[in-house]
Amino acid sequence: EPEVTQTPSHQVTQMGQEVILRCVPISNHLYFYWYRQILGQKVEFLVSFYNNEISEKSEIFDDQFSVERPDGSNFTLKIRSTKLEDSAMYFCASRDLDTYNEQFFGPGTRLTVL
Amino acid sequence: GDSVTQMEGPVTLSEEAFLTINCTYTATGYPSLFWYVQYPGEGLQLLLKATKADDKGSNKGFEATYRKETTSFHLEKGSVQVSDSAVYFCALRTGYKLSFGAGTTVTVRA
Repeated sequence: EPEVTQTPSHQVTQMGQEVILRCVPISNHLYFYWYRQILGQKVEFLVSFYNNEISEKSEIFDDQFSVERPDGSNFTLKIRSTKLEDSAMYFCASRDLDTYNEQFFGPGTRLTVL
Repeated sequence: GDSVTQMEGPVTLSEEAFLTINCTYTATGYPSLFWYVQYPGEGLQLLLKATKADDKGSNKGFEATYRKETTSFHLEKGSVQVSDSAVYFCALRTGYKLSFGAGTTVTVRA
């Protein structure tokens, strides 16, 4: 069964460093999402992406964040200058046109900023 | 804004016990409602959904009914198994995004 994959599973970085989190959505999906979950808190929406542009973003998704679909398979989240409070589990999700309600999630990347 | 509140955990049960996890929501309009489950080491998986009032979603013995009058979508299972041990998230969809509850950790003991 097709699934969303994410790499790495765990990323440790120093404050101020740039990180890129990678996701491979399900191959025929057209909508892509990033969510995050700070330890002990809710899963929060960050951004949605369709047709090579951002379709919606939350107030969390400030200028330090960017997303890109650099080729036909990857979908990346970049944090330019990480802060301690960026430490969280980051989930990628995707969906296609025919399953409007269902987003398929990856296993997540745990980001630790020291 | 739109939000979901779900029962705090953790919840520990014996096998074959009845499980209820409460979920209430606040939303403008008529959102779609979901329960997602996360097994250890895995991503969020859709467990069930309901798209309009009085709809009942069901899957793997779990059920939840969209109650507009009480703005609720409580998850129930009549007889849990050890394999149901996971974190359960209630969520609603408005526009492009999902809004999640805090998650409830359920542990089922043999």
